[in-house]
Amino acid sequence: DAEITQSPRHKITETGRQVTLACHQTWNHNNMFWYRQDLGHGLRLIHYSYGVHDTNKGEVSDGYSVSRSNTEDLPLTLESAASSQTSVYFCASSVGAPPQDTQYFGPGTRLTVL
Amino acid sequence: AQSVTQLGSHVSVSEGALVLLRCNYSSSVPPYLFWYVQYPNQGLQLLLKYTSAATLVKGINGFEAEFKKSETSFHLTKPSAHMSDAAEYFCAVSGFSGGYNKLIFGAGTRLAVHP
Repeated sequence: DAEITQSPRHKITETGRQVTLACHQTWNHNNMFWYRQDLGHGLRLIHYSYGVHDTNKGEVSDGYSVSRSNTEDLPLTLESAASSQTSVYFCASSVGAPPQDTQYFGPGTRLTVL
Repeated sequence: AQSVTQLGSHVSVSEGALVLLRCNYSSSVPPYLFWYVQYPNQGLQLLLKYTSAATLVKGINGFEAEFKKSETSFHLTKPSAHMSDAAEYFCAVSGFSGGYNKLIFGAGTRLAVHP
């Protein structure tokens, strides 16, 4: 079955280190998204991509970057991890772009920055 | 700009009782509205969505939601709660904001179901 996976599922790192979170989907969806989930805030959009080599900033993009070299993968990089980036990160994908298309979510990565 | 407010961060019901999770939105254009459910240690799963067709939307697991434009609401209901419904529920509105189309999530409501 087609799916969306994230790795690692849990990560502990230190302040200042570079961290990359992987997202892989097998649906051949053009659109991919990264969110962070924090208590009391729901999910907030970090970056999104509407196709290969396309990347765009979301509402909380500072300190994060993404690259899209193929359809299946959208890795999220924290250039220099900060304690404020401790969160749960979700990747999602969709066939069509918002506003009406359903997004399908991965299982999440819990990141702790010490 | 679009926004979503979920009333009640925690809701507790008895097994077999009515489930009502409240969601109000603001949008300057006709909205697309979604309810997602998140079970412990899992990603979000779509329950149902409103895309300007029927105002009463039926979803999975016996849930439904009614779009009420006059009240700017999209409340989620289920006639009879089951223990397996215990999860966190997110309402989301989709639209153009900040220069791009995006999903805007509410803060979530955690549903507890007790015997």
